[in-house]
Amino acid sequence: QKEVEQNSGPLSVPEGAIASLNCTYSDRGSQSFFWYRQYSGKSPELIMFIYSNGDKEDGRFTAQLNKASQYVSLLIRDSQPSDSATYLCAVTTGANNLFFGTGTRLTVIP
Amino acid sequence: EAQVTQNPRYLITVTGKKLTVTCSQNMNHEYMSWYRQDPGLGLRQIYYSMNVEVTDKGDVPEGYKVSRKEKRNFPLILESPSPNQTSLYFCASSLWATYNSPLHFGNGTRLTVT
Repeated sequence: QKEVEQNSGPLSVPEGAIASLNCTYSDRGSQSFFWYRQYSGKSPELIMFIYSNGDKEDGRFTAQLNKASQYVSLLIRDSQPSDSATYLCAVTTGANNLFFGTGTRLTVIP
Repeated sequence: EAQVTQNPRYLITVTGKKLTVTCSQNMNHEYMSWYRQDPGLGLRQIYYSMNVEVTDKGDVPEGYKVSRKEKRNFPLILESPSPNQTSLYFCASSLWATYNSPLHFGNGTRLTVT
């Protein structure tokens, strides 16, 4: 079982819709959770991080963490074509290692 | 501008010819790391450094070397490159030597070994 799992997609949503990206992790001791966005051929850039159960909002982005279910998600409201990218989930385990998921490719259709 | 700078951006070389990819950060970050990214495998850590003169292996260290003589620089060395090291490489840094601190990535180096 992989440490961090994401659906590779592609996930397609129409412009203006809510895009929902999901990530599950295997280590119950995991403490820190990150979402990075990566445009094709570019480097990953941090969108959000979350440490506590619940929701964290930043503009059009909301990260949701449920440690009991070992599940973290990223919601993108009012999706724009410029949001089309691969979204990487990264998790810090209880042993203080950082693992990345393989990413979900999102396409926002104008 | 705060950034992580990698060079070169693109590199084509032949099997066995030693090469170095440089990485420098101007943010006074303690932690630096090298990743390779391959289709379907995601980002995998090669080596990391918690501070000057402190380096350790990541998940895929075979065939690579690193050094951290100064806080700002963390070069990646391939002593004898092989075709299976063809990949996209990223250097990253973070403020603290803990994985709770978000990573800042360089622009990447696309390496092709023939």
